[in-house]
Amino acid sequence: QLQLQESGPGLVKPSETLSLTCTVSGGSISSSNYYWGWIRQPPGKGLEWIGSIFYSGTTYYNPSLKSRVTISVDTSKNQFSLKLSSVTAADTAVFYCARQHKNGDCPFDYWGRGTLVTVSS
Amino acid sequence: SYELTQPPSVSVSPGQTARITCSGDALPKKSAYWYQQKSGQAPVLVIYEDGKRPSGIPERFSGSSSGTLATLIISGAQVEDEADYYCYSTDSSGHNWVFGGGTKVTVL
Repeated sequence: QLQLQESGPGLVKPSETLSLTCTVSGGSISSSNYYWGWIRQPPGKGLEWIGSIFYSGTTYYNPSLKSRVTISVDTSKNQFSLKLSSVTAADTAVFYCARQHKNGDCPFDYWGRGTLVTVSS
Repeated sequence: SYELTQPPSVSVSPGQTARITCSGDALPKKSAYWYQQKSGQAPVLVIYEDGKRPSGIPERFSGSSSGTLATLIISGAQVEDEADYYCYSTDSSGHNWVFGGGTKVTVL
């Protein structure tokens, strides 16, 4: 059974960089059939796609966040990571990592449980 | 930027049919997907490619799409179907993925 687990600091100061890692178990991140993505959800609000990466390193980013986002992959550790720079309180959210099919219009099928990151001094 | 538009809320009595709409300019050429999210949990895919149901999803969940409007239908809604529902698709580029704003479904 595929599992994804987010990890990283739960508290980040304004103007600093938020960093999270997603560890994939029960399957290989190097599969040619999937992207791996990050989605966030501010408290009480909706879902927002942040960006996705293929195991080769090809990335796709939400245009509204592109200037602040970097997603990378480490196939040797079966992990992918998110960096979001210059954070403000508006970036406070639950962050999910998820697997994304390359077929069709690329739905997310397996999700991590999510991790809350609060931006506060 | 591309947007998918959903109604904020839908109410339905137990056993009745709930319909949730999702409007997007690219939907005539792109598929719609639907996620159910219960409080404190990660989203779960309940409909893919407009109207297909993943294994394990009850038959009362169905979907359709026509033109710029996709619809999630819950036939014979149950109390356990109370949740937020999000549509999901992509713009014409195929690599800018978007979630709708979400619809809170209340069954009472």
